Amino acid sequence: KQEVTQIPAALSVPEGENLVLNCSFTDSAIYNLQWFRQDPGKGLTSLLLIQSSQREQTSGRLNASLDKSSGRSTLYIAASQPGDSATYLCAYMEYGNKLVFGAGTILRVKS
Amino acid sequence: DTGVSQDPRHKITKRGQNVTFRCDPISEHNRLYWYRQTLGQGPEFLTYFQNEAQLEKSRLLSDRFSAERPKGSFSTLEIQRTEQGDSAMYLCASRRTGDTEAFFGQGTRLTVV
Repeated sequence: KQEVTQIPAALSVPEGENLVLNCSFTDSAIYNLQWFRQDPGKGLTSLLLIQSSQREQTSGRLNASLDKSSGRSTLYIAASQPGDSATYLCAYMEYGNKLVFGAGTILRVKS
Repeated sequence: DTGVSQDPRHKITKRGQNVTFRCDPISEHNRLYWYRQTLGQGPEFLTYFQNEAQLEKSRLLSDRFSAERPKGSFSTLEIQRTEQGDSAMYLCASRRTGDTEAFFGQGTRLTVV
């Protein structure tokens, strides 16, 4: 049973492009939604966290939005750089407890 | 360093052997979570603790898996009679009750040969 879907599964773009990563989820009773970055063979680094009562969060070149009613979140990366190359995971927190993850989007930014 | 720490970072073991992983959460984080991540997939929840109490276990956690957090600080995850299907990255995360952000360690990569 797939509860979180991330599209696209992989993305390759030239340096400097603005890009959007999509995340959809089936459970509207979420506590929050979190975007993570994962480098190959490494753990997860939290990028942005959006509470269920919020619509978006921004950090530097990153902006994440949340629409609970439609079950969607997007991560916008402005002016992409080769150092942004990684896997991006979205996850929602069920009330109180565990995170439910998507399979991720593998991003490659070419210089 | 005040982040979540996991040990070892890598473990190669022969099928049938037992392995144990350790996680040291951020101090004062009373909730501790274990996740498993296989290649090309997102992490999947295994179990979590509030202080020393194990409050939830996933169906993924077969009877060969056991987790403990004896003093409410560090946690161990043991896999008995390892199988090739146990090969994965095992991730630990922690947070405080009432806080909403979870912080992850660097993971332990297990390879069963």
